[in-house]
Amino acid sequence: EAQVTQNPRYLITVTGKKLTVTCSQNMNHEYMSWYRQDPGLGLRQIYYSMNVEVTDKGDVPEGYKVSRKEKRNFPLILESPSPNQTSLYFCASTSSLELAKNIQYFGAGTRLSVL
Amino acid sequence: AQKVTQAQTEISVVEKEDVTLDCVYETRDTTYYLFWYKQPPSGELVFLIRRNSFDEQNEISGRYSWNFQKSTSSFNFTITASQVVDSAVYFCALSVFSGGYNKLIFGAGTRLAVHP
Repeated sequence: EAQVTQNPRYLITVTGKKLTVTCSQNMNHEYMSWYRQDPGLGLRQIYYSMNVEVTDKGDVPEGYKVSRKEKRNFPLILESPSPNQTSLYFCASTSSLELAKNIQYFGAGTRLSVL
Repeated sequence: AQKVTQAQTEISVVEKEDVTLDCVYETRDTTYYLFWYKQPPSGELVFLIRRNSFDEQNEISGRYSWNFQKSTSSFNFTITASQVVDSAVYFCALSVFSGGYNKLIFGAGTRLAVHP
């Protein structure tokens, strides 16, 4: 089954404790991205990647890092989480063909609370 | 500026009522795509519809219908005979080409509560 898998689905942590949210897709997609969802703001793009070793900042990259060492994985790293990073996070992926059609596949979301 | 505005923060209706969710967008691009997503209480995003800027035909899918009007930059979503299962947050989104990538610009969302 084609899917984008995020882990964990729920995470409670404390300020300053490094964490990683994983994202994996099994569709051989070149493009992957991370969004965060906040009340009253909708979803905003954090980082995106157009292929292995190619990443770039989205609209709200501060406080986050990403890496793309393998095509299927695109982890989101919070080196020193702060309470303002409490949010619902979504990973998305798409292929170059589907990018032209503007089709993206979303993971189920990761709800993060930073205390 | 590329922007999506969903002016209705929350809507509350009684089952079987019709309800329209408004979406107004801004873009300088002549080619673009518009989307609606549903987010049920479980949190995942459910894709509902994708419409390109050259196709202004209205679309109907069961109880759902969409009205795209380029003249007013609007892409409104109507649920006919609403049901409790329609309770969710609904997002309108605009696809924009930026830095070699088509990213989605989302509206703030409209929370729909359908009461029995």
